[in-house]
Amino acid sequence: DTGVSQNPRHKITKRGQNVTFRCDPISEHNRLYWYRQTLGQGPEFLTYFQNEAQLEKSRLLSDRFSAERPKGSFSTLEIQRTEQGDSAMYLCASSLGAGDFSGNTIYFGEGSWLTVV
Amino acid sequence: QQQVKQSPQSLIVQKGGISIINCAYENTAFDYFPWYQQFPGKGPALLIAIRPDVSEKKEGRFTISFNKSAKQFSLHIMDSQPGDSATYFCAASGSGAGSYQLTFGKGTKLSVIP
Repeated sequence: DTGVSQNPRHKITKRGQNVTFRCDPISEHNRLYWYRQTLGQGPEFLTYFQNEAQLEKSRLLSDRFSAERPKGSFSTLEIQRTEQGDSAMYLCASSLGAGDFSGNTIYFGEGSWLTVV
Repeated sequence: QQQVKQSPQSLIVQKGGISIINCAYENTAFDYFPWYQQFPGKGPALLIAIRPDVSEKKEGRFTISFNKSAKQFSLHIMDSQPGDSATYFCAASGSGAGSYQLTFGKGTKLSVIP
């Protein structure tokens, strides 16, 4: 079990540039989630995939954000025309099932820090 | 609006003492209540979780107490150790539509001093 892997771990970009983050979930986990966390706050849900299908998107996910999970394996989160308000840690998580008490724990990666200057 | 309110924001406890963190929720459809531990620069890691059909769950030094009628739940850390110093988040989700969405509290920064 190698855990949820995220790359890059840190990214500094100029306002207006595009950035892309990659997430490799735990193998065989069919559910993949993206969350965003700012300093002093808890993670906030952004979007969710079951296999390759993106089933839900939060209102936090503006049109500048796009997430994909081709072939139901790794996922990418792209932010276009970055703004200073996008500065945050972007967390990816995965689970084998519903992530509920049935034991399908949601495992988080170590996050990708984005700083927009 | 789904919300989970967590208190205190920060907590300082002597080594060997009991750390208590409280959370309250509004959505009665929530039926899964996990606690996550997060160290600086790391992602959240599941610590312990409870369902509302039990009032208490204990795993080692960590205990969740749950009060369904009050819509409150708390984390107790017994014999707190310096290694427990971290930020703790309570969270909640439901089993219906949107069950994959964990709603997190704002976190409690715990410092255990020797």
